[in-house]
Amino acid sequence: QKEVEQNSGPLSVPEGAIASLNCTYSDRGSQSFFWYRQYSGKSPELIMFIYSNGDKEDGRFTAQLNKASQYVSLLIRDSQPSDSATYLCAVNIESGATNKLIFGTGTLLAVQP
Amino acid sequence: DAGVTQSPTHLIKTRGQQVTLRCSPKSGHDTVSWYQQALGQGPQFIFQYYEEEERQRGNFPDRFSGHQFPNYSSELNVNALLLGDSALYLCASSLPGGTIYFGEGSWLTVV
Repeated sequence: QKEVEQNSGPLSVPEGAIASLNCTYSDRGSQSFFWYRQYSGKSPELIMFIYSNGDKEDGRFTAQLNKASQYVSLLIRDSQPSDSATYLCAVNIESGATNKLIFGTGTLLAVQP
Repeated sequence: DAGVTQSPTHLIKTRGQQVTLRCSPKSGHDTVSWYQQALGQGPQFIFQYYEEEERQRGNFPDRFSGHQFPNYSSELNVNALLLGDSALYLCASSLPGGTIYFGEGSWLTVV
């Protein structure tokens, strides 16, 4: 079983719609979760992180975490063509004073004008 | 405030050769990690350096080695390059246990 799973997509939504990106993880001890956006040919850019169960909002983005279900999601409201990118879900694995990110394979989002 | 900087941006090497990639962390960050991202995949953790020591290592062979300098900058070395080593190599910096920020990456093509 993969540690972090995402639907590879592509997820196609019309401009102005809500895009919903989902991620599941296997390590029940995971405490922090990250969403990165990656444009083609570029490096990952941090969008949001979430530690607590529930919702966290930042502008058009909302991250949702359900630790009981081991599920993290990212909602993008009023989707724009500029949001078209691959969205990477990452789980932070801590080991003593060190940490590392375990990534899913990413979901390709295409926002249609 | 300079972010994470990496060099070179792109490079092409031949099978069997060796490559060195360089990274300067974000100002104030003392922990450097390296990730490999193959085409169509998420980044995979190679190793992490703190206080000039390798603190944690992912599932990569010994051909992958690194170093951290007193100014916190870091190098990634890959020996005996294989075609499968072609990837985007990402350097990330953080404070210990803190949020991880990535550089722009180094694109390595092995021919």
